[in-house]
Amino acid sequence: DADVTQTPRNRITKTGKRIMLECSQTKGHDRMYWYRQDPGLGLRLIYYSFDVKDINKGEISDGYSVSRQAQAKFSLSLESAIPNQTALYFCATSASQGADEQFFGPGTRLTVL
Amino acid sequence: SQQGEEDPQALSIQEGENATMNCSYKTSINNLQWYRQNSGRGLVHLILIRSNEREKHSGRLRVTLDTSKKSSSLLITASRAADTASYFCATEQTGANNLFFGTGTRLTVIP
Repeated sequence: DADVTQTPRNRITKTGKRIMLECSQTKGHDRMYWYRQDPGLGLRLIYYSFDVKDINKGEISDGYSVSRQAQAKFSLSLESAIPNQTALYFCATSASQGADEQFFGPGTRLTVL
Repeated sequence: SQQGEEDPQALSIQEGENATMNCSYKTSINNLQWYRQNSGRGLVHLILIRSNEREKHSGRLRVTLDTSKKSSSLLITASRAADTASYFCATEQTGANNLFFGTGTRLTVIP
């Protein structure tokens, strides 16, 4: 089984709808991240969490919110989806700060019409 | 933007040749990491080099880091068709709590 899973893998929705993307991990890591990837722009950080009680905004948090339900679960919500939120979304985990690699989920392809 | 820049944006080589891609960044760093992404899939960590290191090897991968020029290079030797992917550098900047990713180099290895 994959260490970092994301659901759904693909989603098509309409402008104005509320969408939740879910991430679960079995690596026992404290740190979890949400990124979006757009063509030609690499990955940009949306939110990150260093433990269940810690939530931090990343580079592009506007229009998004997150919930860390447990050490293993970190959800990303789009309260009112808009077309420019069409992108590939990745969840990642890491064990600790400093010199630790991040482990990525397979991604969620979101299309907002 | 705090993202790094990779160069070239795209690279096409024959199987067996070496592939070199470069990454430049803007601020002081604790470490620099390279990741690989197969089309539309999650990123996979390849190698990490710390700010006090100048060169590191892992199998067919060789990474160099020049902190005075704020640049790094990734060399893949004896490339294979299976190396076809996008490669991203990511920096852990001094004083930051997360990674900043570059824009990626798309490598195509022709069999």
